[in-house]
Parts: sequence; C-alpha cells; structure tokens
Amino acid sequence: GQQVMQIPQYQHVQEGEDFTTYCNSSTTLSNIQWYKQRPGGHPVFLIQLVKSGEVKKQKRLTFQFGEAKKNSSLHITATQTTDVGTYFCAGRWSNYQLIWGAGTKLIIKP
Amino acid sequence: EAQVTQNPRYLITVTGKKLTVTCSQNMNHEYMSWYRQDPGLGLRQIYYSMNVEVTDKGDVPEGYKVSRKEKRNFPLILESPSPNQTSLYFCASSLAGQNNSPLHFGNGTRLTVT
Repeated sequence: GQQVMQIPQYQHVQEGEDFTTYCNSSTTLSNIQWYKQRPGGHPVFLIQLVKSGEVKKQKRLTFQFGEAKKNSSLHITATQTTDVGTYFCAGRWSNYQLIWGAGTKLIIKP
Repeated sequence: EAQVTQNPRYLITVTGKKLTVTCSQNMNHEYMSWYRQDPGLGLRQIYYSMNVEVTDKGDVPEGYKVSRKEKRNFPLILESPSPNQTSLYFCASSLAGQNNSPLHFGNGTRLTVT
C-alpha cells in the first residue's frame, strides 16, 4: 500500500544546532502536512504544502516540497528547548486519506 | 473555544470488558477519525467518518467499532478489549475530508488492557 517513509527516527542535537527531518513517498502526493507533537501532548498542525517545489517558512522552521511532489523536509535553524517533540509528516494522495510518517523525535542534549 | 474533547484521558481495564471512548467536537466539522499511536509506528488510522452516518475502515480496524449518529460525536467502541489494544488513542476532526483542511486532535486517551 501507499507509504510515507520518514527519517531519521530520532535526532539528538545540542541547543543551537540545526535539525532536519525528511519524508519520502514512492508515488506523487497531492499535498503534505506537517504536525508537531510535544511530549505528552497531541499532534498540532504546523503547515501544508501543495505546490511542486514549494518552500514555506515559519520563523526558524523551513518546509520544502520536492519538485516531483514525492518528498518533503522540515528544517529547524538554531534549535531551542521549545522545539523538543516529535515531528510528523502526513501525505495525501488522490483518495484524500492522509498517510502518516512514523515521526522524527527531536531531543535536545543537556 | 474550538476543540476536540476525548474522554477518558486514562483508562485501565481487563481483557474482554467492553469499553467506549467518547469524542466530541464543537467546530461543526464533517470529518472525524480515530488513530492509535504506538512507539515507532506513528499514527495509524482505525476508522474515519466523512459525515453523519458514514463510517469507513482505516488501516487497523480489527477489534474496534465506531458510530456517527450525529455530527459532533464519534465514539470508539472496543467490544472485547485485548492486551494488544493497549495504546494511546487520538480522535481528530477536520472541516472536510476531501479538501486540504488540517486535522484538529483531542488530548488523547491512554488505554491499558490487562
């Protein structure tokens, strides 16, 4: 079936370092959404990308959608403790259902 | 305040004892869905509903039932819970399933079946 592969599963960074998570689909996506889940919390919608090659920014977060609409990435510049959590991508195909990546957990080293 | 409300937040039960997890949204959303979250597996969809009286199986529907008799409520029913249903459950809703509207999640229900 349709799958979205998300890597890495975990990323340990020092505060102030950058963080990136990647999502890949074997088939072309209609759009992709990104969510953040804080420890002990629920997923919260961050952004949606629809257009081929789209790049969107939210302060220190940069979201990209590949030209072929098969991959996407989230990059956080200069991580802060408030960025801790798990980041999920969710891809949508023509059947409208969202298929979720397994998530990347951002851990700030003490 | 616009929200998705799940109850209970925590539930410990025994194998075979029927239980219901309630979900209610006050945003007049057409689409509602149930997910389970397990370590390393992300979010897996159990059932979803595109509108009142319309429900469909997600990726992992076995052992679960749902109903959508009214727009705001979408309860998840476990007729005979088993230990492999121990998980964190989330209810979510969105304006409609066919468009690009984001999902709004409830706070989650942590279920333990012994």
